Amino acid sequence: EAEVAQSPRYKITEKSQAVAFWCDPISGHATLYWYRQILGQGPELLVQFQDESVVDDSQLPKDRFSAERLKGVDSTLKIQPAELGDSAMYLCASSFIRSYNEQFFGPGTRLTVL
Amino acid sequence: DAKTTQPPSMDCAEGRAANLPCNHSTISGNEYVYWYRQIHSQGPQYIIHGLKNNETNEMASLIITEDRKSSTLILPHATLRDTAVYYCIVQGAQKLVFGQGTRLTINP
Repeated sequence: EAEVAQSPRYKITEKSQAVAFWCDPISGHATLYWYRQILGQGPELLVQFQDESVVDDSQLPKDRFSAERLKGVDSTLKIQPAELGDSAMYLCASSFIRSYNEQFFGPGTRLTVL
Repeated sequence: DAKTTQPPSMDCAEGRAANLPCNHSTISGNEYVYWYRQIHSQGPQYIIHGLKNNETNEMASLIITEDRKSSTLILPHATLRDTAVYYCIVQGAQKLVFGQGTRLTINP
């Protein structure tokens, strides 16, 4: 069964360092999402792509976060510089069409900022 | 987007039906009810969705009241692997907005 791949699974970094996460969606899924999940809370959407275009980044802290999906397939989420409050699970999801109907989530990257 | 209210936690005995309630009194006519679950240390998993008719799939059943102000997710024969956080989400034209969900614990 096709799955969303994410790497790394775990990342420990010091504050003020740069960190990057990678996501490879299910083949053929045009819509890709990045979520952040703080411990004990539900996931929060950071950015949504339709192919290579950003369609929603209203919750992305643009002073330090950036996301790209250059060829409309895999995607990278970057944080620079990382802050203590960025410690969270970063989840990637994809869906076949922009319907929010059934999103398939990856296993996530657990980020710890020291 | 309409908000939802779920109990923070529930327990259910293994083999019994688990009934998870969700209130969404401000739902509007074109908004669907979605259910996802998140097993510990994994990403969320889609379960089922519906508009106004009851729905059933291989995982669960979704019962939506006639006024659409509440719904119930039913896991007919809960197993230990169903222990997870269950999210009820009302989705219209905007993004999925996850609340804090219900932490369901299946007890042996």
